[in-house]
Amino acid sequence: LAKTTQPISMDSYEGQEVNITCSHNNIATNDYITWYQQFPSQGPRFIIQGYKTKVTNEVASLFIPADRKSSTLSLPRVSLSDTAVYYCLVGLGDNTDKLIFGTGTRLQVFP
Amino acid sequence: EPEVTQTPSHQVTQMGQEVILRCVPISNHLYFYWYRQILGQKVEFLVSFYNNEISEKSEIFDDQFSVERPDGSNFTLKIRSTKLEDSAMYFCASRSRAGETQYFGPGTRLLVL
Repeated sequence: LAKTTQPISMDSYEGQEVNITCSHNNIATNDYITWYQQFPSQGPRFIIQGYKTKVTNEVASLFIPADRKSSTLSLPRVSLSDTAVYYCLVGLGDNTDKLIFGTGTRLQVFP
Repeated sequence: EPEVTQTPSHQVTQMGQEVILRCVPISNHLYFYWYRQILGQKVEFLVSFYNNEISEKSEIFDDQFSVERPDGSNFTLKIRSTKLEDSAMYFCASRSRAGETQYFGPGTRLLVL
């Protein structure tokens, strides 16, 4: 499973767009990029998954450049309730089964 | 929206006691997982389960741990003789097929005294 590197923490204010970048230099051809969100004392919650270019859903956008060695999770107009830890995971290509979580990015949104 | 559910939400036990943590995965899912998260640390994989057998387990998942799918809906994690260091949040997850997203339950907070 490819190792990922992301900032330990980020601060933002309500209404701003937040972009969290994750590096995954050793991503394999069949690996997907998946982002999870975790609130304190809760289970990780799936946000978005992509393979290349751009993916958008009702919660976020995921930008993946052509070389796929990094990805950026974009949260539009964050609110206080977006304060959480965000994890970037790489894998799930085919037989990859388990999820390997790093330390994630702790996003703090201020009023 | 279908959810993974877990019971109990909290469990306090004495060291050396057996505990069983219960999970009800999403109904049409075929792959099941247990993870744990010690307070302030990363989420760690314990075990994956498919077709009524363990498909992968981590070093953490030693002989004190076992999993079972006793019926068509429940998926359990048993810790035979708990240790202080087993205190953690335990998360169950499930997915429908290979490559699909894993969905996590709300967790069981286990405290071993």
